[in-house]
Amino acid sequence: EAQVTQNPRYLITVTGKKLTVTCSQNMNHEYMSWYRQDPGLGLRQIYYSMNVEVTDKGDVPEGYKVSRKEKRNFPLILESPSPNQTSLYFCASSFTGRGNEKLFFGSGTQLSVL
Amino acid sequence: GDSVTQMEGPVTLSEEAFLTINCTYTATGYPSLFWYVQYPGEGLQLLLKATKADDKGSNKGFEATYRKETTSFHLEKGSVQVSDSAVYFCALFSSYNTDKLIFGTGTRLQVFP
Repeated sequence: EAQVTQNPRYLITVTGKKLTVTCSQNMNHEYMSWYRQDPGLGLRQIYYSMNVEVTDKGDVPEGYKVSRKEKRNFPLILESPSPNQTSLYFCASSFTGRGNEKLFFGSGTQLSVL
Repeated sequence: GDSVTQMEGPVTLSEEAFLTINCTYTATGYPSLFWYVQYPGEGLQLLLKATKADDKGSNKGFEATYRKETTSFHLEKGSVQVSDSAVYFCALFSSYNTDKLIFGTGTRLQVFP
């Protein structure tokens, strides 16, 4: 089954404790992206990747890191989480990230930073 | 810059009522327009899309028509069901500008039996 898999589904942590949210897709997509969803703000793009070893900042990249060492994986890293990073996070992928392509989304990771 | 504006929710309806969720956009050039739906506890899924003026996208009883003259892409359904309860996101893609999908803030729909 074609899917984007995120882990964990829920995560509670404390300020400053490094964490990684994993994202994997099995569709051989070149494009992958991370979003955060906050009430009243909709979805905002954090980082995206057009292909292996190619990553770029989205609209709200501060406090986040990503890497794309393999085509299927695109982990989101919070080196020193802060409470304002409490949010619902989604990973998404598509074939090339351009044009009229459909974006495939993971089920989300609800992160709480205390 | 490019942007999408959606009506604020929640929209609360009884089953079998008519649904309209408004969406207007600002964009350079000729964007493609999308509606994504997010069911409780799930990620977003593409519901429908339209790629040029006067195109009508449709899926699962939902429809939206790309109106260039009013820069709108309103979502409609003739008879909603409880299972349609979800958050609906309007989005646009414009290769003239940022070359990425830009989402509206989402509109929550609650349908009661």
